[in-house]
Amino acid sequence: SQQGEEDPQALSIQEGENATMNCSYKTSINNLQWYRQNSGRGLVHLILIRSNEREKHSGRLRVTLDTSKKSSSLLITASRAADTASYFCATDVSDSWGKLQFGAGTQVVVTP
Amino acid sequence: SQTIHQWPATLVQPVGSPLSLECTVEGTSNPNLYWYRQAAGRGLQLLFYSVGIGQISSEVPQNLSASRPQDRQFILSSKKLLLSDSGFYLCAWSKGANVLTFGAGSRLTVL
Repeated sequence: SQQGEEDPQALSIQEGENATMNCSYKTSINNLQWYRQNSGRGLVHLILIRSNEREKHSGRLRVTLDTSKKSSSLLITASRAADTASYFCATDVSDSWGKLQFGAGTQVVVTP
Repeated sequence: SQTIHQWPATLVQPVGSPLSLECTVEGTSNPNLYWYRQAAGRGLQLLFYSVGIGQISSEVPQNLSASRPQDRQFILSSKKLLLSDSGFYLCAWSKGANVLTFGAGSRLTVL
């Protein structure tokens, strides 16, 4: 079974709106990462948040981590058409160093 | 700067034929290397990872094998493809913080 589960599975918004997606996981982690995938392409790393961090920012991205709830959220502010992609969370599981476990992803469509 | 090359980009193969997907990394030494498979509309499943030449760990039993003949070369193979081997295969590398850098992917269709 997958470690990470993203919610929602799909999200459709207009340019300028914020997009929020969530990730829940099952076991303790070293860190949690978010990746982006454009259709038919490889994944690109967006941001990493460590287990002792609660919030992290990178440009228009904001990531939160709640280890007590085993959940994370990714917020994209002021979305653009170019943000259209699938977004995946990936967990670095404590006893499996270096092997990330990915969720099924959230497909985001941003319409102009 | 580091780059990762993966080929071929697309492949259509008949059932029972062999497979070889190749991945090379430039600009770094002794990277961790990974092969993932992505089914349509799904997340990524880790197939193999390697922390050094000749050191391969398999995550799931399957019809595939991997080899690392050189420090920055990772090869995914099969002797006889099955229909269920169809998918999008992604090679990746990492060092340190385990942030993965992915190749562009290889789409395999088995007919």
